[in-house]
Amino acid sequence: RKEVEQDPGPFNVPEGATVAFNCTYSNSASQSFFWYRQDCRKEPKLLMSVYSSGNEDGRFTAQLNRASQYISLLIRDSKLSDSATYLCVVSHSTLTFGKGTMLLVSP
Amino acid sequence: DADVTQTPRNRITKTGKRIMLECSQTKGHDRMYWYRQDPGLGLRLIYYSFDVKDINKGEISDGYSVSRQAQAKFSLSLESAIPNQTALYFCATSTGGATIYNEQFFGPGTRLTVL
Repeated sequence: RKEVEQDPGPFNVPEGATVAFNCTYSNSASQSFFWYRQDCRKEPKLLMSVYSSGNEDGRFTAQLNRASQYISLLIRDSKLSDSATYLCVVSHSTLTFGKGTMLLVSP
Repeated sequence: DADVTQTPRNRITKTGKRIMLECSQTKGHDRMYWYRQDPGLGLRLIYYSFDVKDINKGEISDGYSVSRQAQAKFSLSLESAIPNQTALYFCATSTGGATIYNEQFFGPGTRLTVL
C-alpha cells in the first residue's frame, strides 16, 4: 500500500458544483495533515491544515478520520479559479505528498 | 521580492555534466528541503536540513548531494547528471518544532533537462 493515495482524476465539474477529494494514508503514526494546491507548472502552496475536529475556510472544508486513516477535502460552489491539482500531504518524520488530484472547473 | 528563490529556473545539460541548483530564502526559516517532481509520481524528497549543521537523506538521495552553506542557502548538486534526473526540482523552507511540521513554502522550481 502506498503511503499517501489519492484519486488522480481529473475531476471535471461545472461552475457552482460541489466536489469532494479523498485521500488515504498508511502510517498510523502520522502526526500532521494538509491539503496543498498546485497550479500548472507552479509551486505547491498550502491550502489548509486538517484537524481531527474538522475545519472550514470559506468554501473549503477538510476532515480527518484517524481511525480510518482517511482525509477529505470538500469544495462548495466551485469557481473557475479552483482549477488546479490538490495534493494531500501527511507528516511523520518528514512530509509525504500524494500524487495529487486534478480539478477542472468549466463554465 | 520572492521569499524563496531558485537559480537557475531552467537548465538543459548533457549526460555526465556536474550541475548545481541553488536555493535562497529570506523567511528566516531553519528547515530547508529539496524535492523533485515527475509526472505521475508526485513530489519526492531528495534531501533535507533542519539547521546549518544538519543534513538528512530523503526518499531518493542517490545521485545527489547537498550543501547548507548558511541558514538562508541550500544547494543541490548532481555530480554526474543522467537523463532520468530530468525533472522539476523544488526547494522549500519551513519552521517546525520537534515533531510537528508546519507549512512549507516552496520556491518557483527549476526545470532540469538532461540530454
